[in-house]
Amino acid sequence: EVQLVESGGGLGHPGGSLRLSCSASGFTFDNYALNWVRQAPGKGLEWVAVITGSGVTTYYGDSVKGRFTISRDNSQNTLYLEMNSLRAEDTAEYYCARSDYFGSGSFDYWGQGTLVTVSS
Amino acid sequence: QSVLSQPPSTSGTPGHRVTISCSGSSSNIGSNTVNWYQQLPGTAPKLLIYSDNQRPSGVPDRISGSKSGTSASLAISGLHSEDEADYYCAAWDDSLNGVVFGGGTKLSVL
Repeated sequence: EVQLVESGGGLGHPGGSLRLSCSASGFTFDNYALNWVRQAPGKGLEWVAVITGSGVTTYYGDSVKGRFTISRDNSQNTLYLEMNSLRAEDTAEYYCARSDYFGSGSFDYWGQGTLVTVSS
Repeated sequence: QSVLSQPPSTSGTPGHRVTISCSGSSSNIGSNTVNWYQQLPGTAPKLLIYSDNQRPSGVPDRISGSKSGTSASLAISGLHSEDEADYYCAAWDDSLNGVVFGGGTKLSVL
């Protein structure tokens, strides 16, 4: 059974940093691109970033480019999101999601989400 | 302001059919496949339709997707009360090098 489990959310301060993790199981981890998608309270879905199965290629949404870094450890079946220079507007539920292929908007499995709140 | 445009809300009565539209451009829907997600309150989104009109295993055939040019539609027939949810379209955008979502459509089953 495919499972994605996020962790690392919590309270972050403006200008500060947080690191999210997504632990995966039930599939061949390095065969799949992985994404982070977020949802601000009461708002719609916003794609954040994607990383290829090998970890070589990454793309970011404009709102996080230069501040967030997506990475993965294929030996540990874990995806990460390093969040720097946090802003209030980064407050959201953060989901990791598996792509059926890189360059696809099709996310066939999602985690349960981890909540990030940015506040002083 | 979302790159893909969806109506904010729609409604239908049990047993009837509703459609939700999703409008984009040549760099997203016009050149890549469209995917649809259902999000029930307090839960993670669930893939409903991929590659314009394909249903993942377990999604009933009363749910269907279509695409023409730079627009796509999701149709739900034989409405059930449990279809009440938020629905999102999504596609890869070649100009932005990323995934774009619609703003979401809240479906109410009256």
